[in-house]
Amino acid sequence: TQLLEQSPQFLSIQEGENLTVYCNSSSVFSSLQWYRQEPGEGPVLLVTVVTGGEVKKLKRLTFQFGDARKDSSLHITAAQPGDTGLYLCAGVPGAGSYQLTFGKGTKLSVIP
Amino acid sequence: DTEVTQTPKHLVMGMTNKKSLKCEQHMGHRAMYWYKQKAKKPPELMFVYSYEKLSINESVPSRFSPECPNSSLLNLHLHALQPEDSALYLCASSQTGSGYNEQFFGPGTRLTVL
Repeated sequence: TQLLEQSPQFLSIQEGENLTVYCNSSSVFSSLQWYRQEPGEGPVLLVTVVTGGEVKKLKRLTFQFGDARKDSSLHITAAQPGDTGLYLCAGVPGAGSYQLTFGKGTKLSVIP
Repeated sequence: DTEVTQTPKHLVMGMTNKKSLKCEQHMGHRAMYWYKQKAKKPPELMFVYSYEKLSINESVPSRFSPECPNSSLLNLHLHALQPEDSALYLCASSQTGSGYNEQFFGPGTRLTVL
C-alpha cells in the first residue's frame, strides 16, 4: 500500500508570511495533485504535477514534484486570509489508476 | 461547464429510513466516484464507476447501494444506516484514458444519521 506523509498537519500563520507544505512517500507516483478544501465543501483541484522535477506556479502558490516522483511541496508566498483551508496532496499510483492516495491534509489558518 | 453538482446539500435520516444521494456532471467524464469523508480526515474512496459499470467497490457495506443510470448521473441509495455513517459524502468525476486521474469534486452532502 502506497502512503503519502503530509506535513505539517496544522499551520497557523500571520498574513504576509510564507509557508511550505510537504508530501513525502517511499513510493513512486505517476502524477500528484494538490487540492484545497474549505469546511463543508468538496476539494477543489489546484494543480497536477506529472514530470519529475516539475515546478508549477499559480499566482502566489508554487508546486514542485520531486525528481524521483516520490515527493512534492507546496509553497505559498505572502499568505492571505483567503488561503485558509485544508490542503490535500493526492498521488496517482500508476497511469490509468482510478484510485488516489491522499495525504492526511494540512489545515492552514492565515490570521489577518 | 466544469461543475459537479450534488443534492441534497444536507440530509438527516433515521436508521430505518431509505434515502438517495444524487450527483450530476456535464463534463463528458466517463469515470465517477463516491467518497466518504469524516471530520479532519481525507476522503475515503467507496465506489468507482467507469463507463457506467461498477469498477471498484472498496468493501463498502451493502446498506450503501450505488447506481449509475447514465454517463452524467450517479446515485447512492442509503438504507438502514448507522449513526457512524454520518459524514460528508462526496461525488467526483474524471476523464478516462488521460493517465492523470484529475478528479473534480462536488460540494458534498452532509449526512446525519440519528
